[in-house]
Amino acid sequence: DVKVTQSSRYLVKRTGEKVFLECVQDMDHENMFWYRQDPGLGLRLIYFSYDVKMKEKGDIPEGYSVSREKKERFSLILESASTNQTSMYLCASSNSEGYGNEQYFGPGTRLTVT
Amino acid sequence: QQQVKQSPQSLIVQKGGISIINCAYENTAFDYFPWYQQFPGKGPALLIAIRPDVSEKKEGRFTISFNKSAKQFSLHIMDSQPGDSATYFCAASPILTGGGNKLTFGTGTQLKVEL
Repeated sequence: DVKVTQSSRYLVKRTGEKVFLECVQDMDHENMFWYRQDPGLGLRLIYFSYDVKMKEKGDIPEGYSVSREKKERFSLILESASTNQTSMYLCASSNSEGYGNEQYFGPGTRLTVT
Repeated sequence: QQQVKQSPQSLIVQKGGISIINCAYENTAFDYFPWYQQFPGKGPALLIAIRPDVSEKKEGRFTISFNKSAKQFSLHIMDSQPGDSATYFCAASPILTGGGNKLTFGTGTQLKVEL
């Protein structure tokens, strides 16, 4: 059974803190993604990675960075958390074989920045 | 810039009725159109997907209709059930160029099926 796990379901941080969100997949997928989900805005891509140590900016990368040192792990970093980064964060992974590959999502981390 | 527009934002349907969610896109390079279903407390999961070489795809009670000339596609849920109550996202992806099947999502539709 395929699985994408995220390190925390709920997280509360203070403004200015450095925040790490971790994601691990067990499917040997090449591609990994970080999204944020906000009501009325859908899922917006923050960053994605198509190989170890490779990363590309998504639609809303400002205020975020990522790290992918191992194929199975993709970390999202908030260098200095702000209240407007309060959101649901979703990690996903997919393989690169073929065409139109399914993205598998983790359960999400609900981050609150106070 | 929103490249995939989804409507309605919310939808209430009686049990046994038909639920219809619509999406429109702008980027003519898009050629893969999946729908994802998300239950509360869970991540989205692929429900059904279509490529533009066909105008319709059916899987059980779920059907995607695709109109390439109008750049629109829709999800129809026949005989809607309370267990279908969830948030539905349409998405689109361009021809794979080695960049990882990057999806652009719509804003989501919250469906509630009432008894």
